[in-house]
Amino acid sequence: DAGVIQSPRHEVTEMGQEVTLRCKPISGHDYLFWYRQTMMRGLELLIYFNNNVPIDDSGMPEDRFSAKMPNASFSTLKIQPSEPRDSAVYFCASSLQEGNQPQHFGDGTRLSIL
Amino acid sequence: SQQGEEDPQALSIQEGENATMNCSYKTSINNLQWYRQNSGRGLVHLILIRSNEREKHSGRLRVTLDTSKKSSSLLITASRAADTASYFCARRYQGAQKLVFGQGTRLTINP
Repeated sequence: DAGVIQSPRHEVTEMGQEVTLRCKPISGHDYLFWYRQTMMRGLELLIYFNNNVPIDDSGMPEDRFSAKMPNASFSTLKIQPSEPRDSAVYFCASSLQEGNQPQHFGDGTRLSIL
Repeated sequence: SQQGEEDPQALSIQEGENATMNCSYKTSINNLQWYRQNSGRGLVHLILIRSNEREKHSGRLRVTLDTSKKSSSLLITASRAADTASYFCARRYQGAQKLVFGQGTRLTINP
């Protein structure tokens, strides 16, 4: 089975540019999570969806960040405009509905904002 | 911290030795999960232990849960160089769907 697929794997762009990160969850999974990982702050949950509906976006740092899930097989995380402090590794994860199920992570997008 | 602590932050041992990592939490959990992260990769789920369980095994991994102390331990026996990675504890608190990750333990196995 294919795991969670994220693209791109690496992104380098200049500050002020729009950045779009993409995620394809595991087929049949009901939950999708976006995380950000940095050395300073560790792994932070940004937002999660249940059946394509955003449930908790309290971790989204600012209005510059937005996430969508137009269908069960695709989600995007957008940063506009990007800033150097947004540099991090962004992970997408998905899981089944039942509470005692693990999350399955993609390999992340390493984002560098110059 | 609000989510609890993990210790040690870093651990370096010789191949063949056992490695123990600890995790604490603050309030009642539904389950606690352990994940491994290799450099440059995503997190991989290792073991999930429910709040009514005290011990689980998976190969060379053993996880214990002590709800009276609000703590869990991950033991890796007979360590191998390939076990070198960061290990994270994730708490699923009661009534919540999301996981709260700690800062992790960076494990190095020396050949």
